[in-house]
Amino acid sequence: GDLVTQMEGPVTLSEEAFLTINCTYTATGYPSLFWYVQYPGEGLQLLLKATKADDKGSNKGFEATYRKETTSFHLEKGSVQVSDSAVYFCALNYGQNFVFGPGTRLSVLP
Amino acid sequence: DTAVSQTPKYLVTQMGNDKSIKCEQNLGHDTMYWYKQDSKKFLKIMFSYNNKELIINETVPNRFSPKSPDKAHLNLHINSLELGDSAVYFCASSQESLTGKGYTFGSGTRLTVV
Repeated sequence: GDLVTQMEGPVTLSEEAFLTINCTYTATGYPSLFWYVQYPGEGLQLLLKATKADDKGSNKGFEATYRKETTSFHLEKGSVQVSDSAVYFCALNYGQNFVFGPGTRLSVLP
Repeated sequence: DTAVSQTPKYLVTQMGNDKSIKCEQNLGHDTMYWYKQDSKKFLKIMFSYNNKELIINETVPNRFSPKSPDKAHLNLHINSLELGDSAVYFCASSQESLTGKGYTFGSGTRLTVV
């Protein structure tokens, strides 16, 4: 079945550090890919998305590129802020199937 | 103006009780979902309703019953609550014809069973 795997957390970085959170997927077709973010005590928010190979999603300084050849959708940000501390979920959508990865907790220290 | 609203936000109850969580969306979406997020932050789909018909029912105990009076509402009723039911429950909605746009999530209901 469809599956999404993410790097184990937690990830702890200093402010202004470079961030990468790895995400790989297994799917039978060509899914759409997403990153969702969950800030402490809040619900899930769509951060960015890509719907086809080589698409790059970007938002709030975050970006991720849909790589069909490596079945990956790694999340990157050049300079993280304390306010980026949250749990990040990679997800895929194909037809009626919507699958989340386990989530990666990011803590950014001042 | 909240797109997907859930009530209550917090729910503390004793084992054995029956409780309901309500969800409403004003986006005109045709599919609604319930997800359970456990203490380790894993998100698992529980139910999906499309135009008032159940289309997904992952292996969820039959103590959980979704009820959809219309396509804007999907309520979750839980009978005989158990300690293991403690989690955050998220409602979501999507428009099938807009696949790729992603879901819109509610803010979650934190259920604590004591």
